[in-house]
This record gives sequence, C-alpha cells and structure tokens, in this order.
Amino acid sequence: DSGVTQTPKHLITATGQRVTLRCSPRSGDLSVYWYQQSLDQGLQFLIQYYNGEERAKGNILERFSAQQFPDLHSELNLSSLELGDSALYFCASSGSGPDRDTNYGYTFGSGTRLTVV
Amino acid sequence: GQNIDQPTEMTATEGAIVQINCTYQTSGFNGLFWYQQHAGEAPTFLSYNVLDGLEEKGRFSSFLSRSKGYSYLLLKELQMKDSASYLCAVPDGANNLFFGTGTRLTVIP
Repeated sequence: DSGVTQTPKHLITATGQRVTLRCSPRSGDLSVYWYQQSLDQGLQFLIQYYNGEERAKGNILERFSAQQFPDLHSELNLSSLELGDSALYFCASSGSGPDRDTNYGYTFGSGTRLTVV
Repeated sequence: GQNIDQPTEMTATEGAIVQINCTYQTSGFNGLFWYQQHAGEAPTFLSYNVLDGLEEKGRFSSFLSRSKGYSYLLLKELQMKDSASYLCAVPDGANNLFFGTGTRLTVIP
C-alpha cells in the first residue's frame, strides 16, 4: 500500500456520460497530481493541486476538471466522455514543496481504469 | 518544455545485464527520475539523479550526464520479474513530472 488511495479501481460508462474519480493523498502530502495513461502511451500530466489551489495545468481537456478539498483529497471530473478517454488515470502525491521532495519523486496510487463504451 | 526519448522495446536474457537509455531536453534541469511500471499497475520509484555520475542501488544503477542530456538505467543479474516498462521522467520547476513513453523490457529465459 503506497498510502495514496484511488477509487474506484474500475469504471465502465457510456459515451456522453460524466464520472468522478477520487484520490486521497499520502498522509501529510499537500500536492496532488493527476495523470492519464492511454493504452501503450506514456503518462500524460493533467493537473496539479497544492494545498487546495490549482498550481499547474498540463494537457488537460476542457471537458475535464479537478479540485482539491480542505481535507486534501482530490477529485477529477470527466464529462461528455468519448471512447478515446478510456485510459488508466493515476493520482500521485508529494510533500510540502519541490525542494523537499525532488529527492524522492512522487508516490502513485494504484489507478482507476476507465472504460468508455 | 520537456522532451524525453527512450527506446520503445528491449529484450534481454535472464541473468544478463541490460542498459536502458534516455535522452532529454528540458528548460531548466531539476533532476531525472527512473520508475518501473508493471502492466496495469502504478509506477514505482527506482532512482533519482541530480548530479553527474553513477548511482548504484543493488541490482539497479542509474547514470546521468547533464552536459549531454543523457541518462541510462542499468539492470544487472536480470530476473523474470524485471519484465516491465521503465520510465524516464524529468520535473519542471513546479515539481510536475514529465515522462517519456517508457521502454518495455522483456526478460526471456
């Protein structure tokens, strides 16, 4: 157990629908990152939150949004789903700032496998 | 931005040594990470290099040359369980990790 919890583990939904993926970071970690990994593709950075505030955006579609709550858990909302959104979605967390954590990188959750049919 | 290149696939024999290369271009260098990822599972941290040279950790070693924008991961005494994807990643200034597409290593008997 990495300490980063993602739910659900698997999700099957239809095109056009909306889903919410949830992530609880490792205890004490303030930063949460979301990544998308499509079949045979690398991990694509989507968005970072730090202590409740959006800190950086990567290749995140406008149909996708995220937030981090006061208890530091985060949710990734995916709407108007398309077949191409089928992927593994990973959440990762790290400590209070880059200076303290770049020696150790992130801790990843086990991911949510989203299948859009 | 960040640009990372790795070979797509490699095959090696059990008990052998394999070297997985990574070249990168980044605006501002904040270190380089290697992760291991088994199919369908989360990436797990292997190593972090910020200074030039070789870092050894058991059967795995990682090398960095900042002037050449080059790193490699060296796996010794290969075991079947080492069959996985190996991901090279560099962080930007905000600690967001940018990954290469990964090298899928297959270890054969």
